[in-house]
Amino acid sequence: ELKVEQNPLFLSMQEGKNYTIYCNYSTTSDRLYWYRQDPGKSLESLFVLLSNGAVKQEGRLMASLDTKARLSTLHITAAVHDLSATYFCAVDRLNSGSRLTFGEGTQLTVNP
Amino acid sequence: NAGVTQTPKFRVLKTGQSMTLLCAQDMNHEYMYWYRQDPGMGLRLIHYSVGEGTTAKGEVPDGYNVSRLKKQNFLLGLESAAPSQTSVYFCASRPAGSYGYTFGSGTRLTVV
Repeated sequence: ELKVEQNPLFLSMQEGKNYTIYCNYSTTSDRLYWYRQDPGKSLESLFVLLSNGAVKQEGRLMASLDTKARLSTLHITAAVHDLSATYFCAVDRLNSGSRLTFGEGTQLTVNP
Repeated sequence: NAGVTQTPKFRVLKTGQSMTLLCAQDMNHEYMYWYRQDPGMGLRLIHYSVGEGTTAKGEVPDGYNVSRLKKQNFLLGLESAAPSQTSVYFCASRPAGSYGYTFGSGTRLTVV
C-alpha cells in the first residue's frame, strides 16, 4: 500500500525566514506533485516532478525529488504572508490505474 | 470556461437520505476521480474511472457508488447518508498520457 507522509503538519514561521517541508513516500512512484490549498478553495498545482534529481522553482518556492530516498522537499525562501496556505504532496503510479495518493498536508502560517 | 464543474457546491442531508454529486468535465479527459477531504487527513480516493463505462474502488469506497455512463460525467452517489460522510468532496480529471490533474471546486456536504 502506497503511503505518503509529510512533515511538519503545522508550520508557523516569520516573514523573511527560510524553511523546508518534507514529503516521504513508501513505494516506488512515477510522479510527485505539490499542491497549494487556500481555506475553502480547491487545489492549485504548484509543481510536478518526474525524475530523480528534478528541481523546479517558482518564485519563493523550490521543489526537489530524490527517488532513491523516496523523498521530496518544498523549500520556502524568505517567506511572505501570501504564502500562508496548506501544502500537499501527492504521488501517483502509472501501473496502478494512475491515481493520486496524498500526504496529510502541511498548514503553513507566515507571521508578519 | 473549460474545466471540472461540481454540482452542488453545498448540501445538508439528514441521516439516511440519499443524494448524487455530479462531476462534469469538458476537456475530453479519460480519467476521472472522486476524493474526500477531511481535516488532518489530506485527500482520500473514493472511486475512480479510467474510461466511459468503467469504475474502480479507491481507498475509502464504502457507502458510496459511482457511475460513468458518459465520458464527460462522473456521478458519486450516497444511498443512505451517515454523519461520517460529512466532508468536502473533490472531483478531478486527467487526460490519458498526461500527468496534469484538474480539480473541481469541491462540494461541501454536511450530514446531520
